[in-house]
Amino acid sequence: QVQLQESGPGLVKPSEALSLTCIVSGGSISSHYWSWIRQPPGKGLEWLGYIYYTGSTNYNPSLKSRVTMSVDTSKNQFSLNLSSATAADTAVYYCARGADWNPGGFDYWGQGTLVTVSS
Amino acid sequence: DIVMTQSPDSLAVSLGERATINCKSSQSVLYSSNNNDYLAWYQQKPGQPPKLLIYWASTRESGVPDRFSGSGSGTDFTLTISSLQAEDVAVYYCQQYYSTLYTFGQGTKLEIK
Repeated sequence: QVQLQESGPGLVKPSEALSLTCIVSGGSISSHYWSWIRQPPGKGLEWLGYIYYTGSTNYNPSLKSRVTMSVDTSKNQFSLNLSSATAADTAVYYCARGADWNPGGFDYWGQGTLVTVSS
Repeated sequence: DIVMTQSPDSLAVSLGERATINCKSSQSVLYSSNNNDYLAWYQQKPGQPPKLLIYWASTRESGVPDRFSGSGSGTDFTLTISSLQAEDVAVYYCQQYYSTLYTFGQGTKLEIK
């Protein structure tokens, strides 16, 4: 059974970088596409982008140049870096696996981690 | 961006009754070359991540009860719960993956009447 687990600081200061890691267990990261999705408190879901194990990426243009994703196949994990964080980036951040049938369907999700941007 | 709009925003249904949630996309998510609609439905219970229910608009994910069904094509889609159970209380989201800028609907909160 594939499992995903997000980790990273729960509190980030404004203007600093928000960095999270997702560890994949029960399956190899060297297949499928791996996405980050966030959900502000009490609001809906926003897809941030995906990365393939080769390092190929596709980001949501709404984040402009602030987002970077990376993958470490030796550790079976992938990461999110969101620069210049603001209060608007406060959200639960989920990592998710792109499904076999399409990278844009998400069949396995982490439990999510709340990141608060505040001084 | 493809904008996904769900209706209603909230819905209260009696146990055992049918629940219907609608989703409309701002452009067609039907890919003509394979005749597939690039539309998924998710269920999110409080404090939990979303759970995939339906993909290709009408294909149930493994393990999802058959009281959940998806229908529609092009720009208009429906998620139906044929006989509401207490454990179905949740927020439901539709999502398109036709465009590689994946987008979700705003969610529909389903409660027991």
